[in-house]
Amino acid sequence: SQQGEEDPQALSIQEGENATMNCSYKTSINNLQWYRQNSGRGLVHLILIRSNEREKHSGRLRVTLDTSKKSSSLLITASRAADTASYFCATAWLDTGRRALTFGSGTRLQVQP
Amino acid sequence: DSGVTQTPKHLITATGQRVTLRCSPRSGDLSVYWYQQSLDQGLQFLIQYYNGEERAKGNILERFSAQQFPDLHSELNLSSLELGDSALYFCASSVSSGRGNSPLHFGNGTRLTVT
Repeated sequence: SQQGEEDPQALSIQEGENATMNCSYKTSINNLQWYRQNSGRGLVHLILIRSNEREKHSGRLRVTLDTSKKSSSLLITASRAADTASYFCATAWLDTGRRALTFGSGTRLQVQP
Repeated sequence: DSGVTQTPKHLITATGQRVTLRCSPRSGDLSVYWYQQSLDQGLQFLIQYYNGEERAKGNILERFSAQQFPDLHSELNLSSLELGDSALYFCASSVSSGRGNSPLHFGNGTRLTVT
């Protein structure tokens, strides 16, 4: 079953605008990661935020984590056409019986030039 | 380039057949993960190996099996194939033994088409 669910499922913006994607999850986590996938290609790791962190930055990316609400957001500032891709959150459960990353269903981002 | 190599890139086969997908992890990574991506099921975790031993099991069918060899490459075997097995199969690797403590590095996948 899916642990993380992204919202919205699809997002279309103009180049230069900011894009915000949200991820909600169900159980306590060890950390949360965001990945990008260009069409038909492998996923690329973007950022990892641990459960005791609230915010993390990497270039034009800003990730927040609210463990009380079991949610995370990914903000891409000043978007570019090259940011067009699907974005996935992935969670590592605290339950030791579930050690591998579980991915959400993704947000498809389209950045119009 | 993630450093993870998957072969073949494309595979077309018939129902009932058996195929083997191969993965070479990034240099230094001991964990190998297999994921299946289809339009209706999203990205599903199948199985993880760490240094040759099975570490975690996900939604892997009994018709599917995997192993990791002493040189750390891994193979995913799919047998008695059905039309619904058509999907992208990804291999990923990481330095850690699991619990999602480190990023995964994905290969570009094997696209399997069952006709």
